[in-house]
Amino acid sequence: GAGVSQSPSNKVTEKGKDVELRCDPISGHTALYWYRQRLGQGLEFLIYFQGNSAPDKSGLPSDRFSAERTGESVSTLTIQRTQQEDSAVYLCASSLFLATMYSGANVLTFGAGSRLTVL
Amino acid sequence: DAKTTQPNSMESNEEEPVHLPCNHSTISGTDYIHWYRQLPSQGPEYVIHGLTSNVNNRMASLAIAEDRKSSTLILHRATLRDAAVYYCILRDEGSQGNLIFGKGTKLSVKP
Repeated sequence: GAGVSQSPSNKVTEKGKDVELRCDPISGHTALYWYRQRLGQGLEFLIYFQGNSAPDKSGLPSDRFSAERTGESVSTLTIQRTQQEDSAVYLCASSLFLATMYSGANVLTFGAGSRLTVL
Repeated sequence: DAKTTQPNSMESNEEEPVHLPCNHSTISGTDYIHWYRQLPSQGPEYVIHGLTSNVNNRMASLAIAEDRKSSTLILHRATLRDAAVYYCILRDEGSQGNLIFGKGTKLSVKP
């Protein structure tokens, strides 16, 4: 597609329920990133994928969070047993290659985000 | 981690130039400096990047200090649409793929 697509755009759930957030990156982009942004705060890095592999999962806030990517395309971020502190906008981004700063041309293209509200 | 420091907020008048500063005293020798901005209710968007020399594109200019410990994003004529949070970004040394966003500078533009 022309841009990074995320769904749902808005999700309201009850505490304790599981949620899945989906990201469709730009076609051909090998790297995919998930960030979280709480209301009025900056971006918090969660995880990145190079192809279908996630080399570093240390940014995930707890073991209730997991993510996968298949076919070097779609990625799903799953939050189990949601808590109120999980309420945030979850942003996905993709880049042509892994966006190390050595490669200045590798810019991230972000989706519009999925707003999660846990009641 | 290589960190950046930006003012929390700045104000500008419409059609005046804006200089947004960023300090990155622990930058590594080969790290690029990237700027992104986030308009209200949107995901961040790329603005500009540079290594050592000043850079210009259709959106902005980037002035990089000779010692590379600071940089300045320059909007030549601010418009109301430029009101956003501006992020100055460096690489996370601990993980090649991890880009650390600071808290950014919230720019307000007055008509």
